[in-house]
Amino acid sequence: EDQVTQSPEALRLQEGESSSLNCSYTVSGLRGLFWYRQDPGKGPEFLFTLYSAGEEKEKERLKATLTKKESFLHITAPKPEDSATYLCAVQAGTGRRALTFGSGTRLQVQP
Amino acid sequence: ETGVTQTPRHLVMGMTNKKSLKCEQHLGHNAMYWYKQSAKKPLELMFVYSLEERVENNSVPSRFSPECPNSSHLFLHLHTLQPEDSALYLCASSQNSGSYEQYFGPGTRLTVT
Repeated sequence: EDQVTQSPEALRLQEGESSSLNCSYTVSGLRGLFWYRQDPGKGPEFLFTLYSAGEEKEKERLKATLTKKESFLHITAPKPEDSATYLCAVQAGTGRRALTFGSGTRLQVQP
Repeated sequence: ETGVTQTPRHLVMGMTNKKSLKCEQHLGHNAMYWYKQSAKKPLELMFVYSLEERVENNSVPSRFSPECPNSSHLFLHLHTLQPEDSALYLCASSQNSGSYEQYFGPGTRLTVT
């Protein structure tokens, strides 16, 4: 059974204080690992797809990396507008289209 | 309209009511999904449609009935729901092949009284 575990559950940072969010996964042949951002009361917003170990992707203050067992979302010099819940999801290479999501990390960046 | 839209955004219904949620995608995708998001739980996949054909059904109770009349529209028909069905219902779409990046709508906040 595919599993995704995100840590920490919640994270409070000061503006400019860099940190990383973790996503550990167990999947039958990884087809893709996805990061989403979700603001309260809204649908998840797609951020990145990672396909293979060693891959990295960046977008503004966010950088996602992937190993064979986990992915990290690094946040450099965060701003209050980065406050949101960050979701990690995996897709197995078994032909299923479904994504298995983690419970998310709730990030709060204080000015 | 762009992306994935959902209506209504908020819905309050009694346990004996019948209502429908609507989703429309403007991305030219071929696959559409219904997810349920309850407080402090991961998103739960409910249904997957590919080219208007249901390809996955994740053991969802029959009081939830999906309908996909074409590749741009998806409905979720609701009847005799329970209070524990109160949640955020999210629709998503993706291309049918290659990368399965899913794009989500804003969701319908459903409250069952």
